[in-house]
Amino acid sequence: KNQVEQSPQSLIILEGKNCTLQCNYTVSPFSNLRWYKQDTGRGPVSLTIMTFSENTKSNGRYTATLDADTKQSSLHITASQLSDSASYICVVSFTSGTYKYIFGTGTRLKVLA
Amino acid sequence: DAMVIQNPRYQVTQFGKPVTLSCSQTLNHNVMYWYQQKSSQAPKLLFHYYDKDFNNEADTPDNFQSRRPNTSFCFLDIRSPGLGDAAMYLCATSRVRTSYEQYFGPGTRLTVT
Repeated sequence: KNQVEQSPQSLIILEGKNCTLQCNYTVSPFSNLRWYKQDTGRGPVSLTIMTFSENTKSNGRYTATLDADTKQSSLHITASQLSDSASYICVVSFTSGTYKYIFGTGTRLKVLA
Repeated sequence: DAMVIQNPRYQVTQFGKPVTLSCSQTLNHNVMYWYQQKSSQAPKLLFHYYDKDFNNEADTPDNFQSRRPNTSFCFLDIRSPGLGDAAMYLCATSRVRTSYEQYFGPGTRLTVT
């Protein structure tokens, strides 16, 4: 069964600290993996997209890694800011006749001053 | 500049009273998607249009319909909203189905009274 699991479910950190969010997937055949940031009451905004051959991609303070062998990805946030408080969603795409997106349930991050 | 626009941002309707949510895009993308997202859950794909070709997900209730009169606009019609249909409705676009990038609108929060 194609699934995307994220951990932790929620996380609280202090401003300025780093954190790492995890995404494990069982999607096959894998096409690409994306990380989205979703502020409360808003639509998701893309942070990074990685294909099978890419194992790291950065977007400012956000760095995503991908291990296609173990089917794991992580999103590392450096020097967190209050504005990083949001849900972070991992989405894995695959092609099986048609193109599909499998969404994780997200990690809810709260950054405290 | 807004690329995927959803109106209204907040919609209140009565139980059983038909409601239409609107999505427009300035990206000239071929594919438009409608997702339902309930609190603390991942977005759930309801259906998508590839140009004029409508693709319904197998578990989308008949109560949900969609129209795409032209490339730029797509509508979600809920024929008889129930209390369980209260959710955030997200519209997204992508250039083609195999495109890596999916752009989301800000969402419409639907309340059913």
